[in-house]
Amino acid sequence: GENVEQHPSTLSVQEGDSAVIKCTYSDSASNYFPWYKQELGKGPQLIIDIRSNVGEKKDQRIAVTLNKTAKHFSLHITETQPEDSAVYFCAASGDDKIIFGKGTRLHILP
Amino acid sequence: NAGVTQTPKFQVLKTGQSMTLQCAQDMNHEYMSWYRQDPGMGLRLIHYSVGAGITDQGEVPNGYNVSRSTTEDFPLRLLSAAPSQTSVYFCASSYSGTSGGPEETQYFGPGTRLLVL
Repeated sequence: GENVEQHPSTLSVQEGDSAVIKCTYSDSASNYFPWYKQELGKGPQLIIDIRSNVGEKKDQRIAVTLNKTAKHFSLHITETQPEDSAVYFCAASGDDKIIFGKGTRLHILP
Repeated sequence: NAGVTQTPKFQVLKTGQSMTLQCAQDMNHEYMSWYRQDPGMGLRLIHYSVGAGITDQGEVPNGYNVSRSTTEDFPLRLLSAAPSQTSVYFCASSYSGTSGGPEETQYFGPGTRLLVL
């Protein structure tokens, strides 16, 4: 079955700097790769997603890149702000399931 | 729309007790799933359903049962609670993608925090 590895588990960046979170997946049949943000005490919420026929997608300060050959995808957050502090999860969808990575806790330092 | 609702918000059980975690959605989503979230382990898939009458196992199904008699509801049953089932449980739903799988935005409920003593 699908396995998703996510790194790093914790990331601290200075406010205004960029943050990058990386994920790898195992199932070459996976075709949908979403990213979720979870704030304290809440359920995860989708922030951006990418499908296997696209290499890059951008939405304001957030971008995601996908390398299907290497089976890895990354989340890039530019000009980080205090409200970006949260836990971020990558996921891969294939075979009727969405499998999540273990999450990255992002701290934005003042 | 209320979105995805979960009840109860918090529950304490004794080892061996049974209970049902309720999940309902009012968005007419075909796909529903249950995850458990433990520190350092991320979100792990317990069971999922691609439509009414159809359920299947995820990554960690042991000790849990599900049913999907209607499109709206997807209850999760703990048959005999164990301390290892102490966790936060999230229900999620989405439209099905073109292949019938969950390749669309997952909407998560607020979670149920379960403590098994």
